[in-house]
Amino acid sequence: KQEVTQIPAALSVPEGENLVLNCSFTDSAIYNLQWFRQDPGKGLTSLLLIQSSQREQTSGRLNASLDKSSGRSTLYIAASQPGDSATYLCAVKNSGTYKYIFGTGTRLKVLA
Amino acid sequence: NAGVTQTPKFQVLKTGQSMTLQCAQDMNHEYMSWYRQDPGMGLRLIHYSVGAGITDQGEVPNGYNVSRSTTEDFPLRLLSAAPSQTSVYFCASSYSEDSPLHFGNGTRLTVT
Repeated sequence: KQEVTQIPAALSVPEGENLVLNCSFTDSAIYNLQWFRQDPGKGLTSLLLIQSSQREQTSGRLNASLDKSSGRSTLYIAASQPGDSATYLCAVKNSGTYKYIFGTGTRLKVLA
Repeated sequence: NAGVTQTPKFQVLKTGQSMTLQCAQDMNHEYMSWYRQDPGMGLRLIHYSVGAGITDQGEVPNGYNVSRSTTEDFPLRLLSAAPSQTSVYFCASSYSEDSPLHFGNGTRLTVT
């Protein structure tokens, strides 16, 4: 059974710092992995989607990597800003299923 | 484009009452799904649809019904509300299984 873990649950960093958020999964037979951002009281916004054949994806200051063999993905945020404060979730879809399994997220606070 | 629209934003029900959570998307997406988000548990899939007329159960389908008569709409029906169904409900859609998920802003449901 696929399980997704995100550690730490919460993180505070000063503005300008580069940071890495972690996502680990137990079953390496994934189809794809998505990183999302969730602001309080809002829905999720997809940031990056990595297919199983890809190693990384980049969008602006964000870079997501995928290592299927070790069951890990990281989201790298460069030069963090207060506007990056939000909860970041990862979700994994296994091959042969539509179902996404979500982690419980990392709550990020970037201090001005 | 409005994206994914969910109504209502908030709802309070008494145990045993029934209601329908509405979800509509204007992006011509084939895939639609319903998730519930509970503290410490991440998002869990309730039901999903891969096209009009086609629905299937997710991880936690008991107590909920869905139908998909049009591409645009995917309502979620609570048959007889229970306090355990107190949660935030999110509707999501995607163009294909390779595409990012688009989420609505959620419905916060309280069952007393």
